[in-house]
Amino acid sequence: GAVVSQHPSRVICKSGTSVKIECRSLDFQATTMFWYRQFPKQSLMLMATSNEGSKATYEQGVEKDKFLINHASLTLSTLTVTSAHPEDSSFYICSANPGTTQETQYFGPGTRLLVL
Amino acid sequence: GESVGLHLPTLSVQEGDNSIINCAYSNSASDYFIWYKQESGKGPQFIIDIRSNMDKRQGQRVTVLLNKTVKHLSLQIAATQPGDSAVYFCAETWGQGGKLIFGQGTELSVKP
Repeated sequence: GAVVSQHPSRVICKSGTSVKIECRSLDFQATTMFWYRQFPKQSLMLMATSNEGSKATYEQGVEKDKFLINHASLTLSTLTVTSAHPEDSSFYICSANPGTTQETQYFGPGTRLLVL
Repeated sequence: GESVGLHLPTLSVQEGDNSIINCAYSNSASDYFIWYKQESGKGPQFIIDIRSNMDKRQGQRVTVLLNKTVKHLSLQIAATQPGDSAVYFCAETWGQGGKLIFGQGTELSVKP
């Protein structure tokens, strides 16, 4: 149980275009999902907390207008990188919290974004 | 700001030996800690967790120790195998459904 998927697994796009990444909880409902970014040889940095039916909460320094998050259902959250630039190239990972008494987050396989 | 840090960025061990990966945390309010394993190009995989009301927890070949006095966390892997080669992250959180704060990671390399 507790499987989280992401789509696409990798994407290459031109500078200035927008890219949407999907995060799905396959066998549980997630009222809360989290989006992380990870640069090579570095740790995971939390970007935002996605809450079903309400606005996302962004971490300090993360531009909410550039990284649009939508959590329209209990099994799907999307992250849209708008007007992507080469410096946005990174590994984007989502996680989901089943919302039970335990706090363990289950992570998706990640999406590799390369902006040319 | 507060963060979770690690003492050793890389660790190389011989197959069959035991591995110990350390982590220091600074948020005294943290009450739940998790160790994750991340293989290259993949998302983090849950290994073991521990709550702040415990000081030791054992899983299959893994043990997590928590020392709240010095705010230290460690992951012990018994009889390390080549398949254990990965980057290991500790993470802390507080409250229910709270966000995770990750440490910098330790790359474990197992020599056959």
